[in-house]
Amino acid sequence: TQLLEQSPQFLSIQEGENLTVYCNSSSVFSSLQWYRQEPGEGPVLLVTVVTGGEVKKLKRLTFQFGDARKDSSLHITAAQPGDTGLYLCACPPYSGGGADGLTFGKGTHLIIQP
Amino acid sequence: DAGITQSPRHKVTETGTPVTLRCHQTENHRYMYWYRQDPGHGLRLIHYSYGVKDTDKGEVSDGYSVSRSKTEDFLLTLESATSSQTSVYFCAISESVWAMNTEAFFGQGTRLTVV
Repeated sequence: TQLLEQSPQFLSIQEGENLTVYCNSSSVFSSLQWYRQEPGEGPVLLVTVVTGGEVKKLKRLTFQFGDARKDSSLHITAAQPGDTGLYLCACPPYSGGGADGLTFGKGTHLIIQP
Repeated sequence: DAGITQSPRHKVTETGTPVTLRCHQTENHRYMYWYRQDPGHGLRLIHYSYGVKDTDKGEVSDGYSVSRSKTEDFLLTLESATSSQTSVYFCAISESVWAMNTEAFFGQGTRLTVV
């Protein structure tokens, strides 16, 4: 099972500020996904990155996949209270064969204060 | 929203009693998963299914069993609940594991408390 390290674990900032959260591994990802989870709900997919160096934008959210495909970052510009939630990175089973589920990092708890 | 329903949404049970959680999907997806989510541990895979009557163990399967007799239903059973199984349980589904852009869809979770 591939270990995913997310940082920071907790982040509380004021509305309008920018922030970056990270997802790292010692192994190479075949692909990586970012999910957001709101209280009382299940995680919801935000984006999938596949190619090293890839950058994807989703409104004020920018996702980057490291050139070596061992790390990824999520940058939020001008954070809003609606961005509050748990941000999780996940990767598919590391080796071929079988149907194991996604492996998740422990997540970053983000609070945006009005 | 993907059609995934977990039941019950909340349950309190006593140590030593059996508990069954149900996941029902209307998406006809082949793969179904049970995860538990705990503070400090994140989401961990308990069991998964890759078809009717085809199941396998995940990372934290001890004390749990599963069954899938129909495509749409995936049951998680705690044969004899323990306090360490107090957690939030999530069911997830996906069409495929290996496709690059496969998305996992999650239910709303079941909060289980074992007292």
